[in-house]
Amino acid sequence: EAGVTQSPTHLIKTRGQQATLRCSPISGHTSVYWYQQALGLGLQFLLWYDEGEERNRGNFPPRFSGRQFPNYSSELNVNALELEDSALYLCASSLGLAGYNEQFFGPGTRLTVL
Amino acid sequence: AQSVTQPDIHITVSEGASLELRCNYSYGATPYLFWYVQSPGQGLQLLLKYFSGDTLVQGIKGFEAEFKRSQSSFNLRKPSVHWSDAAEYFCAVDSRGKSTFGDGTTLTVKP
Repeated sequence: EAGVTQSPTHLIKTRGQQATLRCSPISGHTSVYWYQQALGLGLQFLLWYDEGEERNRGNFPPRFSGRQFPNYSSELNVNALELEDSALYLCASSLGLAGYNEQFFGPGTRLTVL
Repeated sequence: AQSVTQPDIHITVSEGASLELRCNYSYGATPYLFWYVQSPGQGLQLLLKYFSGDTLVQGIKGFEAEFKRSQSSFNLRKPSVHWSDAAEYFCAVDSRGKSTFGDGTTLTVKP
């Protein structure tokens, strides 16, 4: 069974540009989560999508947004990129509500903002 | 607001020695608690989880953790560490799909 996949592996952008990161969950999983792992800041919860709806959001500005498609894959969009957005972005999926269901993590997308 | 504290940023143990990684949490209700491991260049892998019931939880790779409500702790243990256990370990608490992670503990294993 395929795990959570993320693309691209690496992404290099300049300040002010937009970045789009993609995540494909494990087959059968309806929930997708996004996390930011920045150097020195640990792992921070960004967004949770379930059944196409945003269910919860972390303490990030509105320029961090995303969506979940009918096939449960998801996109994370980061607008007006800033240098401090450079980080590893991890996606995870689970069978519905997390906390009760295990989250499975993808390998991440390394975003570098120059 | 929920929070997780991992007091030890870095721990070094000898191969074969026992290990305990500390985790303290702050959460209003009965928490959902997790331990994850992240090897260099890899995503996170769940080691074990606690939802309710028996406070001693067994996980993969020989790890266990004990939930102590009175101390708000969920410490991770392993009786005998292997060189392949060298990695970063994260404790997390979940509420309504929002997971809060500790800052992580980096484990180094000496031969």
